[in-house]
Amino acid sequence: SQTIHQWPATLVQPVGSPLSLECTVEGTSNPNLYWYRQAAGRGLQLLFYSVGIGQISSEVPQNLSASRPQDRQFILSSKKLLLSDSGFYLCAWSYGGVNSPLHFGNGTRLTVT
Amino acid sequence: AQTVTQSQPEMSVQEAETVTLSCTYDTSESDYYLFWYKQPPSRQMILVIRQEAYKQQNATENRFSVNFQKAAKSFSLKISDSQLGDAAMYFCAYGKGGSEKLVFGKGTKLTVNP
Repeated sequence: SQTIHQWPATLVQPVGSPLSLECTVEGTSNPNLYWYRQAAGRGLQLLFYSVGIGQISSEVPQNLSASRPQDRQFILSSKKLLLSDSGFYLCAWSYGGVNSPLHFGNGTRLTVT
Repeated sequence: AQTVTQSQPEMSVQEAETVTLSCTYDTSESDYYLFWYKQPPSRQMILVIRQEAYKQQNATENRFSVNFQKAAKSFSLKISDSQLGDAAMYFCAYGKGGSEKLVFGKGTKLTVNP
């Protein structure tokens, strides 16, 4: 069966510090991978998605970047965090296309202080 | 741009009763999909039910069913025989056919009272 791992579960970082959130998927090959952000009182917002190694599509221009160095690994990064980067970050995978259900990780609660 | 609106920030229901969560969406597309996702307090979000726009028949998954009104662009979720484990945030989502992007509503927090 397929599983998705996302870490860390919680993170407190000072403004201006770097960020690296990692997500890995097991039990499937060539999944589509996604990073979503959930801000308080708002729905989930798609940040990045990837349909293959090294292929990244950005939905929202901002202080974050994503990379996919391996087939089942997806990394969310920032060189310098802003207060507005605080939120709940969710990694997800699917077989591709909106008709394919998303399978989410447990999320990372990021607080930028 | 497509939007998804969930007008009920919070709802409550008595155990064993039925509750309906509302969702409306705005799109000019004819090929699209609609979803309800559930996010329990443990935080892992899971798919509850899916509806293809081209299908007239309402989707059903056990105690969960939808009322899909395409002309009205309405997609409500009905939970029958509510259980304590149904307590969660429920998100309605829209996806245009052929794309990778889901647009989510702000969510409805459902409380189930014993």
